[in-house]
Amino acid sequence: GAGVSQSPSNKVTEKGKDVELRCDPISGHTALYWYRQSLGQGLEFLIYFQGNSAPDKSGLPSDRFSAERTGGSVSTLTIQRTQQEDSAVYLCASSGQGAYSGNTIYFGEGSWLTVV
Amino acid sequence: KQEVTQIPAALSVPEGENLVLNCSFTDSAIYNLQWFRQDPGKGLTSLLLIQSSQREQTSGRLNASLDKSSGRSTLYIAASQPGDSATYLCAVRSVSTNDMRFGAGTRLTVKP
Repeated sequence: GAGVSQSPSNKVTEKGKDVELRCDPISGHTALYWYRQSLGQGLEFLIYFQGNSAPDKSGLPSDRFSAERTGGSVSTLTIQRTQQEDSAVYLCASSGQGAYSGNTIYFGEGSWLTVV
Repeated sequence: KQEVTQIPAALSVPEGENLVLNCSFTDSAIYNLQWFRQDPGKGLTSLLLIQSSQREQTSGRLNASLDKSSGRSTLYIAASQPGDSATYLCAVRSVSTNDMRFGAGTRLTVKP
């Protein structure tokens, strides 16, 4: 597509339930990033995928968080046993060649997660 | 660990003023620095990307400078307009990590 697409745009879930957030990067982009932004806060890095390399998971806050990227394109971020502190907007971004290039990264509109 | 700081946290100016937003970072070993704009309830829009070898980039009324050795960048907005009201974020891509580190942003309000 023309831009980074994320779904759902909004999700309200009950504490303890699992949620899946989806990201469709820009076609041809090999690098994909997930960030989290809590209300009034800056962006927190979660995970980074580059081509077929092992993902950089150093930003995932707990083992309840996991992400995968199938076929080098679409990515799914899964949060198990959601907690209220997981409420945030989850932003996905993609870029052409990844971290060690000068390419601009492009963000999706985000998935707004509210855990009640 | 790279830390990015933006000052001020919020800024309110009358329409037509020129203004400067500041960004500082602790580790000067970077590949590039990028300025973004975020509107309420929206994702981020890239404004300017400065490579580590560059000193500045310009786009329309926007000019971003980079002083890598001192760990500083500024975003200059000329002749501000109400439509410029948004949160402005800077992010650096460090040599030592695969991710981009973001500042907390400057929330700009331009009053008509």
